Amino acid sequence: DAKTTQPPSMDCAEGRAANLPCNHSTISGNEYVYWYRQIHSQGPQYIIHGLKNNETNEMASLIITEDRKSSTLILPHATLRDTAVYYCIVRVTTDSWGKLQFGAGTQVVVTP
Amino acid sequence: GAGVSQSPRYKVAKRGQDVALRCDPISGHVSLFWYQQALGQGPEFLTYFQNEAQLDKSGLPSDRFFAERPEGSVSTLKIQRTQQEDSAVYLCASSSGTEGWGSLGEQYFGPGTRLTVT
Repeated sequence: DAKTTQPPSMDCAEGRAANLPCNHSTISGNEYVYWYRQIHSQGPQYIIHGLKNNETNEMASLIITEDRKSSTLILPHATLRDTAVYYCIVRVTTDSWGKLQFGAGTQVVVTP
Repeated sequence: GAGVSQSPRYKVAKRGQDVALRCDPISGHVSLFWYQQALGQGPEFLTYFQNEAQLDKSGLPSDRFFAERPEGSVSTLKIQRTQQEDSAVYLCASSSGTEGWGSLGEQYFGPGTRLTVT
């Protein structure tokens, strides 16, 4: 699976959109981009994933560039409960047996 | 419904002791994973079960680490002769076993067991 690069930390004001970047320049054509987050003292939680097209669900939006070398996770209206470490993961399969390879992630702090 | 549960939540062991960490996955989930998370790092894969079969144990750091899932449900991660470098949070995750078109590939994580070896 391809490697990802994320900024180590970022701050966001409550109520504003949080845009979390991820670089995955070595991604292959059949690899998916997954996002998980980990709130302090909890296990990671699935947010969203995509292959080529932009995706949206009740938690977030995922924007993947046309060349697929980078992506952005968007939390449209950040709340204090969105403070967490966010992990961008590239994965060759959507099959549920595939292991996840986490990096260091981005520590997001949402401030009042 | 109930999520993934792990016990104990905290474990302190003296160096050289054996420990057993338990994971109760979501009922009916075929796939079960163990991850190790050192302080300030992302989780690292240890091992994977499909039902009772351990299909991937490539991440187990040494032969002191052993995992089992005898009836395809509850799993136990055992660490023998614990060392200080084993101190970490041990996370268990389960997933439904779906694959192919329509599979989201989500893994559902438990809260973890924090192991401290003194």
